[in-house]
Amino acid sequence: AQKITQTQPGMFVQEKEAVTLDCTYDTSDQSYGLFWYKQPSSGEMIFLIYQGSYDEQNATEGRYSLNFQKARKSANLVISASQLGDSAMYFCAMRESGAGSYQLTFGKGTKLSVIP
Amino acid sequence: KAGVTQTPRYLIKTRGQQVTLSCSPISGHRSVSWYQQTPGQGLQFLFEYFSETQRNKGNFPGRFSGRQFSNSRSEMNVSTLELGDSALYLCASSWGTSGSFGNEQFFGPGTRLTVL
Repeated sequence: AQKITQTQPGMFVQEKEAVTLDCTYDTSDQSYGLFWYKQPSSGEMIFLIYQGSYDEQNATEGRYSLNFQKARKSANLVISASQLGDSAMYFCAMRESGAGSYQLTFGKGTKLSVIP
Repeated sequence: KAGVTQTPRYLIKTRGQQVTLSCSPISGHRSVSWYQQTPGQGLQFLFEYFSETQRNKGNFPGRFSGRQFSNSRSEMNVSTLELGDSALYLCASSWGTSGSFGNEQFFGPGTRLTVL
């Protein structure tokens, strides 16, 4: 079974509009972390936002917010006021507890295109 | 503060050869993880090193190996290259302590390996 599912292979959004990128996850761990990364065409993975499984509040970082619904096992990324520079691949990832490992499991990604 | 550096950035090899990729983590970081990214399989975890010890390993054949030096720099080696090893190899560094799951991994720009 997929641990991280991103159901939107590609998304289009008008500049200055908000967009939501979907992510659902599957884990039996009680303690885990959820991450979103941005990957421009250059290839480097850029950390955007983090949500811990025990965090009560939804995480926010500037124009990025994470809509965390624990019971539904979803961790959607919301980008407000989209900019042309937001065009990139976006990956949802999870780190599960155990052995202190820093292993991240990634979803397949969503390609976001911002239209002027 | 310098980011994660990876060398070389691009590499072309032929089947059957071996290759060594290098990763220098952020100063002070003790954990280095390696990921393989391909269009078909997406991002897959290879292994993680912490204080010169392999802490976790993904599901890859023994042709893929790595090591970490006392200064936290890491190398990964792929022997007997196959066409399917063509990929972007990403290295990520973290503090590595078993603290908050929010200790994000900082990724390098990647090494793009092409096997002919």
